[in-house]
Amino acid sequence: SYLLTQSPSVSVAPGQTATITCGGDNIGSESVHWYQQKSGQAPVLVVYDDTDRPSGIPDRFSGSNSGNTATLIISRVEVGDEADYYCQVWHTATDRVWVFGGGTKLTVL
Amino acid sequence: QVQLVESGGGVVQPGTSLRLSCIMSGFNFREFTLHWVRQAPVKGLEWVSVISFNENDKDYADSVKGRFTISRDNVKDTLYLQMNSLRPEDTAIYFCARGSASYLHFDYWGQGTTVTVSS
Repeated sequence: SYLLTQSPSVSVAPGQTATITCGGDNIGSESVHWYQQKSGQAPVLVVYDDTDRPSGIPDRFSGSNSGNTATLIISRVEVGDEADYYCQVWHTATDRVWVFGGGTKLTVL
Repeated sequence: QVQLVESGGGVVQPGTSLRLSCIMSGFNFREFTLHWVRQAPVKGLEWVSVISFNENDKDYADSVKGRFTISRDNVKDTLYLQMNSLRPEDTAIYFCARGSASYLHFDYWGQGTTVTVSS
């Protein structure tokens, strides 16, 4: 099955930029979606279709996708951005499954 | 506003059954594909099952195929997950989620209900 690889953790200071990556075989040909999950809460969609933001998500959240890596960028990081972030694709090449990466814990120092 | 509220979780013994429910509101329920996604303790997210708007199309993760059944009631605006032959590895928080119009992702999630399978 299709594998999405994320680094377990990323740490940044408030006001800095956080970069969270999601690796997958030719992931650039897929649509990648990103979810934020704060401790004890449900996931929230923050970026979909590689680069789009749902209404209500600040423009500090942006995404890109090319080659074998998709990226979520959080600019001007705030303490409230501390959470687990998951990438996700809908993979249909071999079987129809919605696949998640293992998640990246963003710590705001 | 869109709301999804799960119920039905609990502590059960291996080999037994449980049925989860998810009541949804704030949108036209019968127009959307719906999903169950789970999260084992201190683990990541795992997609479990999907059902089409008219219940004609269903699919399951290999880990639950043959044991779990997804269904929906388009009158009661409720999604269900019948879980049979439960195993300790099914222990998780189970989230219901609304599928996006593009079918590709999940645009709204419930708060989850906890299932613990233990002897």
